[in-house]
Amino acid sequence: AQSVTQPDIHITVSEGASLELRCNYSYGATPYLFWYVQSPGQGLQLLLKYFSGDTLVQGIKGFEAEFKRSQSSFNLRKPSVHWSDAAEYFCAVGTPGNTGGFKTIFGAGTRLFVKA
Amino acid sequence: NAGVTQTPKFQVLKTGQSMTLQCAQDMNHEYMSWYRQDPGMGLRLIHYSVGAGITDQGEVPNGYNVSRSTTEDFPLRLLSAAPSQTSVYFCASSYSRISTDTQYFGPGTRLTVL
Repeated sequence: AQSVTQPDIHITVSEGASLELRCNYSYGATPYLFWYVQSPGQGLQLLLKYFSGDTLVQGIKGFEAEFKRSQSSFNLRKPSVHWSDAAEYFCAVGTPGNTGGFKTIFGAGTRLFVKA
Repeated sequence: NAGVTQTPKFQVLKTGQSMTLQCAQDMNHEYMSWYRQDPGMGLRLIHYSVGAGITDQGEVPNGYNVSRSTTEDFPLRLLSAAPSQTSVYFCASSYSRISTDTQYFGPGTRLTVL
């Protein structure tokens, strides 16, 4: 069965430091991969997505992610974290559904704390 | 555009009561879905729809019903609420049924079942 694992429940980084959030997936075919961000009390917003082509994808707010098929990973990175990046981050994989649509499987999330 | 709207924002039910969570989008999106979010578990798909009259089950469909009579609306019905259904519910939509399409999420409904 398809699954997404985010090994880190929470991470704390200093403002200005670099960030890497880990994501591993389990899926037999070519995966469609996503990273979403959720600020407190809000819905989710798409940061970036990968479905083919260049394995390094750029997203909004200065985020990027690298797809590594050999490691079944899709880690999210940012070179310099800002206090406003404090939020919860979700990795997800899209899989075909039964009625021609798709199902999205989410990881449990990683909460990012940013210290001054 | 208002995007994806959800009502109510908060709701408290007693065990056994029924209710409908409303979801609407004004973007003419083909695909709509419902998720529940529980601490430490991320979002789990309840039901989804690829167009008016077409719905399908997600990971955790038991205890929930959906229908899609119009493109705009996708209500979620709890037939007999249970404490295990205490959660935050999110509705989402995307322009097409293609997996790579961006999903837009509503602000959520926080439901407590006593």
